[in-house]
Amino acid sequence: AQTVTQSQPEMSVQEAETVTLSCTYDTSESDYYLFWYKQPPSRQMILVIRQEAYKQQNATENRFSVNFQKAAKSFSLKISDSQLGDAAMYFCAYRANTGRRALTFGSGTRLQVQP
Amino acid sequence: EAQVTQNPRYLITVTGKKLTVTCSQNMNHEYMSWYRQDPGLGLRQIYYSMNVEVTDKGDVPEGYKVSRKEKRNFPLILESPSPNQTSLYFCASSGLAGGPGDEQFFGPGTRLTVL
Repeated sequence: AQTVTQSQPEMSVQEAETVTLSCTYDTSESDYYLFWYKQPPSRQMILVIRQEAYKQQNATENRFSVNFQKAAKSFSLKISDSQLGDAAMYFCAYRANTGRRALTFGSGTRLQVQP
Repeated sequence: EAQVTQNPRYLITVTGKKLTVTCSQNMNHEYMSWYRQDPGLGLRQIYYSMNVEVTDKGDVPEGYKVSRKEKRNFPLILESPSPNQTSLYFCASSGLAGGPGDEQFFGPGTRLTVL
């Protein structure tokens, strides 16, 4: 069974600084995707960034980028120039491209942004 | 506007009183899924559906039922709710083309409390 582990329950960053959230996963599949979701106080699940496992190049979306280390099964999220609006719970998630397509989530990291 | 809607958004009920949480999507997605979110556990899949009349169990199906009579709707039924089903519930939908575009769109969530 696939598992996703986020070992940092809480993180804090100063506004305009950079922070990295960690995620590791375990799978025997070769065709899969990895995601970072943001959940603000509104509880809406918002997709931040995704990475296809077959792509070596790390995904980037504006201030958000990932460090995907396939052999180590590591998938960290870097947030640059942190803004107050980045404060939220962040979930790392895995999804195989076959079978029941379930997203397997980590337990989340709560990010605080200090002004 | 492409969206997934859920109703109700908040519900307080008592043990044993049957309830239904509705989910509807307007993106003509084949795939729909229900997740529950509990503190420290992330989101876990309850049931999913690959198409009309095709449903199957996820990771935590006990105590829940679903149906998929129409492509756009995927209601979650709790026939005899118990306090351990107090949780935040999310409906999600996606296409099944097999590529990175199969992003799962989430509804706004339903906060259920069973007394």
